[in-house]
Amino acid sequence: EDQVTQSPEALRLQEGESSSLNCSYTVSGLRGLFWYRQDPGKGPEFLFTLYSAGEEKEKERLKATLTKKESFLHITAPKPEDSATYLCAVPLAQKLVFGQGTRLTINP
Amino acid sequence: GAVVSQHPSWVICKSGTSVKIECRSLDFQATTMFWYRQFPKQSLMLMATSNEGSKATYEQGVEKDKFLINHASLTLSTLTVTSAHPEDSSFYICSASDLGGITDTQYFGPGTRLTVL
Repeated sequence: EDQVTQSPEALRLQEGESSSLNCSYTVSGLRGLFWYRQDPGKGPEFLFTLYSAGEEKEKERLKATLTKKESFLHITAPKPEDSATYLCAVPLAQKLVFGQGTRLTINP
Repeated sequence: GAVVSQHPSWVICKSGTSVKIECRSLDFQATTMFWYRQFPKQSLMLMATSNEGSKATYEQGVEKDKFLINHASLTLSTLTVTSAHPEDSSFYICSASDLGGITDTQYFGPGTRLTVL
């Protein structure tokens, strides 16, 4: 069964403490993987699209990587404003299927 | 670029009334628009996909007569919740895609919080 699973469910870090969020998928014929950031009470904000294994993309303190089975969102020296829920999503059939998200909290 | 707006941002209504939510792509033409629903602490669930000038495609379990979707132009889609009931209370979010394919990036609106009393 096609699935998208994110871990951990929640993560608390101190400001400046780097870490990684995981998005694993069991999809045959991956056609892309999307990362979004969602703040409470807001719609998701687009971060990255990755299409092939080995691809990497960076934006400020975030770097997304993709393998054949999973994607990582690495956050380097995070700041409190990076606190949010991070969602990954994969196209399945004719729709975008989202993982449950990782709720990231950065303490000052 | 790629800005999507929604109106209203929140609405409270009485049970049995209808509510219309607008979704607009402000700086691009949206070939396809999507409507999602999100319950607290849960991820986004697709309700329907709409293409300009065509009937919307609804996901299994979504009542098409209850959630009316109109995509009248390349920049505007509306979702009308008819005869709303408390169980329809949720966060409704639209997204838009300029190229329209499922592998193309979707840009999301800020969401509409619906509370049905």
